[in-house]
Amino acid sequence: QQPVQSPQAVILREGEDAVINCSSSKALYSVHWYRQKHGEAPVFLMILLKGGEQKGHDKISASFNEKKQQSSLYLTASQLSYSGTYFCGTENGDDKIIFGKGTRLHILP
Amino acid sequence: DAGVIQSPRHEVTEMGQEVTLRCKPISGHNSLFWYRQTMMRGLELLIYFNNNVPIDDSGMPEDRFSAKMPNASFSTLKIQPSEPRDSAVYFCASKLEYTEAFFGQGTRLTVV
Repeated sequence: QQPVQSPQAVILREGEDAVINCSSSKALYSVHWYRQKHGEAPVFLMILLKGGEQKGHDKISASFNEKKQQSSLYLTASQLSYSGTYFCGTENGDDKIIFGKGTRLHILP
Repeated sequence: DAGVIQSPRHEVTEMGQEVTLRCKPISGHNSLFWYRQTMMRGLELLIYFNNNVPIDDSGMPEDRFSAKMPNASFSTLKIQPSEPRDSAVYFCASKLEYTEAFFGQGTRLTVV
């Protein structure tokens, strides 16, 4: 039931792009993306709803393939502040968010 | 709104003692979640409340764990007796139905 994220970790140089993937074995109603910095709480980035509605960050984009039960988060022209652990959370219509194990992103100057 | 408020921020206790973690959700939110975060398991959902009613507690590890939500503005997670393997960061989150969740700052629990 827990979504699977890939890759587990990424190291980038500032300005490079990254893609983080999230897949589920169950039909999805929505996908949530969060970023967590060390010692802090997860912070909301984006929500993608079944049917195409999106809400979130203006510098981060994401896609949601309902048929494949997959979502991807796109980080373009990465900044040092993008470093952290990214979690996808999936919701199957029961309003309960289950999180993947996270993708650690480290941006080098 | 001040956001989701958790207390205490840090708790160190001896094995066998009772521990109570507290959460005040954002006013107006009708869903509340308790998560446990460890390096090995990531963010695990322990229990989910909707309109103060426990909907799914399948993530509660064992009978030593219990959670209550006596009203819309307060929830507790209790561990009795505590064990060293319960050491983790415990997060509370609240949301409106089918919207994003807002997390509290977490309680770092250490059981020695």
